[in-house]
Amino acid sequence: QLQLQESGPGLVKPSETLSLTCTVSGGSITSNYYWAWIRQPPEKGLEWIGSGNTYYNPSLRSRVTISMDTSKNQFSLNLRSVTAADTAVYYCARKSRGSSIWFDPWGHGILVTVSS
Amino acid sequence: QSVLTQPPSVSAAPGQKVTISCFGRSSDIGNNYVSWYQQLSGTAPKLLIYDNDKRPSGIPDRFSGSKSGTSATLGITGLQTGDEADYYCGTWDNGPGSGGIWVFGGGTKLTVL
Repeated sequence: QLQLQESGPGLVKPSETLSLTCTVSGGSITSNYYWAWIRQPPEKGLEWIGSGNTYYNPSLRSRVTISMDTSKNQFSLNLRSVTAADTAVYYCARKSRGSSIWFDPWGHGILVTVSS
Repeated sequence: QSVLTQPPSVSAAPGQKVTISCFGRSSDIGNNYVSWYQQLSGTAPKLLIYDNDKRPSGIPDRFSGSKSGTSATLGITGLQTGDEADYYCGTWDNGPGSGGIWVFGGGTKLTVL
């Protein structure tokens, strides 16, 4: 059974870089899927950050990098120049390819707070 | 403000049926598949419906999805207290200038009275 687990610091200072890792178990990240990051600010809805290393939310594109480490079966998120508005629960998820697009499964999520 | 419009909340009694709507545009729902996600309190979202009306393995047939034009609907029959959750629709948006973006609805909180 495929499982995803987010890890990284729970507190990041303003203007610094938020770095998270998603470890995939029960399957390979080199399989025929993309890998995505989605976030949810406290008491708010879901926001797609990006998938793979090509498709990014235009509102975040200038600050986001998603990369893969196939040797560790992990993929990562870097979000630069963070502000309080980036405080959210960050989820990693597997994303389907092609015209049939869905996200499944999701990691448990990690709360990242941006504060000095 | 979300690109996809959902009612903030819906409610119904146990055993009853409820529907949750998701309104979009031709560039998103009108030309792409819709998926639905269930988020129980304090947990990660879970895929409920994909490709407008398909259920992943393990999702009971009490849950159904449909799409017509630029709107989609999630239906839940035989409501149970365990169905209380936030529900989100999502789809791809090919709109001009977007460069392609995945969009979620604002979410609908289901209360089982």
